Amino acid sequence: DAKTTQPNSMESNEEEPVHLPCNHSTISGTDYIHWYRQLPSQGPEYVIHGLTSNVNNRMASLAIAEDRKSSTLILHRATLRDAAVYYCILRDPNSGNTPLVFGKGTRLSVIA
Amino acid sequence: GAGVSQSPSNKVTEKGKDVELRCDPISGHTALYWYRQRLGQGLEFLIYFQGNSAPDKSGLPSDRFSAERTGESVSTLTIQRTQQEDSAVYLCASSLGTSRSPLHFGNGTRLTVT
Repeated sequence: DAKTTQPNSMESNEEEPVHLPCNHSTISGTDYIHWYRQLPSQGPEYVIHGLTSNVNNRMASLAIAEDRKSSTLILHRATLRDAAVYYCILRDPNSGNTPLVFGKGTRLSVIA
Repeated sequence: GAGVSQSPSNKVTEKGKDVELRCDPISGHTALYWYRQRLGQGLEFLIYFQGNSAPDKSGLPSDRFSAERTGESVSTLTIQRTQQEDSAVYLCASSLGTSRSPLHFGNGTRLTVT
């Protein structure tokens, strides 16, 4: 699987937007970009995924660069509950249901 | 609806004892995954089941680790002759049988080997 690079940690003020970056310069044409997050003392939870176009759902937005070598997860208004480790993962659907490979992710702290 | 359920939520065992961890996946999910997460670390893949296919055991760290799954239901992860380095949170996830389906994780079993 192609590798992703994320900052180790980020900090945000409550009720402000947060932009979490992810670099994936070796992404293949068929790799989907998936984001998960892990709240304290919980298992990871799915946030969003996309291929080429920007994606929105009730949790977040995913902005994908035109060359697909980077992407940004956008939380429009951070809340204290959004404090978590955010993982950016590439997944090739042609490789079947192979397990997701989690890196170290970005630890997001939200300040009240 | 019900999510992935894991039991027990916490387990303390003595070094050398065997332990069994249980995972109840979401009904209808054909894929089931086990991961391990040591304190302050990322997730390590252990084993993966997909329907009736042979499981992918490539992540199991030693022959003390094994897992079973009956059909598309419950899975058990067994660790024999536990060692202190086995202390970790063991996470189970399930998903539908498509490659774009998100994984749904349980909250894990925290195993402490004394």
